[in-house]
Amino acid sequence: GAVVSQHPSWVICKSGTSVKIECRSLDFQATTMFWYRQFPKQSLMLMATSNEGSKATYEQGVEKDKFLINHASLTLSTLTVTSAHPEDSSFYICSAIDKSETYGYTFGSGTRLTVV
Amino acid sequence: QKEVEQDPGPLSVPEGAIVSLNCTYSNSAFQYFMWYRQYSRKGPELLMYTYSSGNKEDGRFTAQVDKSSKYISLFIRDSQPSDSATYLCAMARNNAGKSTFGDGTTLTVKP
Repeated sequence: GAVVSQHPSWVICKSGTSVKIECRSLDFQATTMFWYRQFPKQSLMLMATSNEGSKATYEQGVEKDKFLINHASLTLSTLTVTSAHPEDSSFYICSAIDKSETYGYTFGSGTRLTVV
Repeated sequence: QKEVEQDPGPLSVPEGAIVSLNCTYSNSAFQYFMWYRQYSRKGPELLMYTYSSGNKEDGRFTAQVDKSSKYISLFIRDSQPSDSATYLCAMARNNAGKSTFGDGTTLTVKP
């Protein structure tokens, strides 16, 4: 089955710094990837849809200048949290679609970000 | 009102019990219905998906979709401690677009 690799799995950074999270589709090409945020004991909240070769589509209320998304190739999307603050601490999860599958919506393993 | 409502739980059952997890939805455009299992600090893992109405069985898991009632269920037979996790229902209009998730139900299966 489709595999999505997300890196790093956890990161601690100082307030004011930027953090980059990578999402890779390992054995398929993904023209579309999604980025989610999940707070403890809450569901996944879609942040943005990442399309290869074009600008990401952000959900209402998500600051595009704070959460920079780059989908430069068919196998890689990155999310950069700029000028991170403690309230940005969360679990970030990406997913990608393998269109060769009938239903190929696969999640990465997530990145736990802690801003101190 | 949320598009997808999921029974909040938490749910605690003894090993071997039958577990029923349920979601309702309001958007009749949804065609794909998924159940994900999420262990603590991990990404969701797809358990099953169903297209349109009907039942689907995979081992101890059975997914049911009733589009007329806008109601979906996941049944787990002979539940095991390893089934302890948070279960998320999700729905989508097509197989290439974004999914809408329920809030999840945390299940604990006690030995």
